[in-house]
Amino acid sequence: QSVLTQPPSASGTPGQRVTISCSGSSSNIGSNTVNWYQQLPGTAPKLLIYSNNQRPSGVPDRFSGSKSGTSASLAISGLQSEDEADYYCAAWDDSRGGVYVFGTGTKVTVL
Amino acid sequence: QLQLQESGPGLVKPSETLSLTCTVSGGSISSSSYYWGWIRQPPGKGLEWIGSIYYSGSTYYNPSLKSRVTISVDTSKNQFSLKLSSVTAADTAVYYCARQGWLPLQIGGYYFDYWGQGTLVTVSS
Repeated sequence: QSVLTQPPSASGTPGQRVTISCSGSSSNIGSNTVNWYQQLPGTAPKLLIYSNNQRPSGVPDRFSGSKSGTSASLAISGLQSEDEADYYCAAWDDSRGGVYVFGTGTKVTVL
Repeated sequence: QLQLQESGPGLVKPSETLSLTCTVSGGSISSSSYYWGWIRQPPGKGLEWIGSIYYSGSTYYNPSLKSRVTISVDTSKNQFSLKLSSVTAADTAVYYCARQGWLPLQIGGYYFDYWGQGTLVTVSS
């Protein structure tokens, strides 16, 4: 059972802004950086955001990340049909000797 | 362009050992800047980190799997491998290998930036 909680689903129409939340605790988000991954249907996850708000080369600036306390958020502005995917937050958790944990995942649907 | 490719049996019997290998191309597994990890995803479910290894052989594992997991590295072949013992149906999943970067001066600043395509391993008799 994941220690990072995300809403199971989110949706929007093309061009809208969608935000996904990720709730954790002091041992993970509260003390370490947050990453976000996008998983298109039938494919491997892709790193979307690292270090809370940094975009790897090639990731559109429509995607942005933020962190405050023990929570983090991913925002997708100017939603496009190709953004329909599962999104996972992730962070290192200092408990139990250290473990990399993923969020429960959010399915984004473009209406 | 860095590429990772998983290989191994797609079907494993209960109680046996699951063995997978990840071959890295387009870059060296002996880079001092990265770890190399395994992540799995049961059908229709979320992602679970299994463990990671440095080119020197230093490893760290998910505590929930630690008693059954062994990850090793073969720098001469640019490969790293996963062994998971005493498997059950609950270990049925797509298994991914990935490159793990980290942020300088940031303990716990880990992320996975390159992933293999994944391989489905089914545990069944």
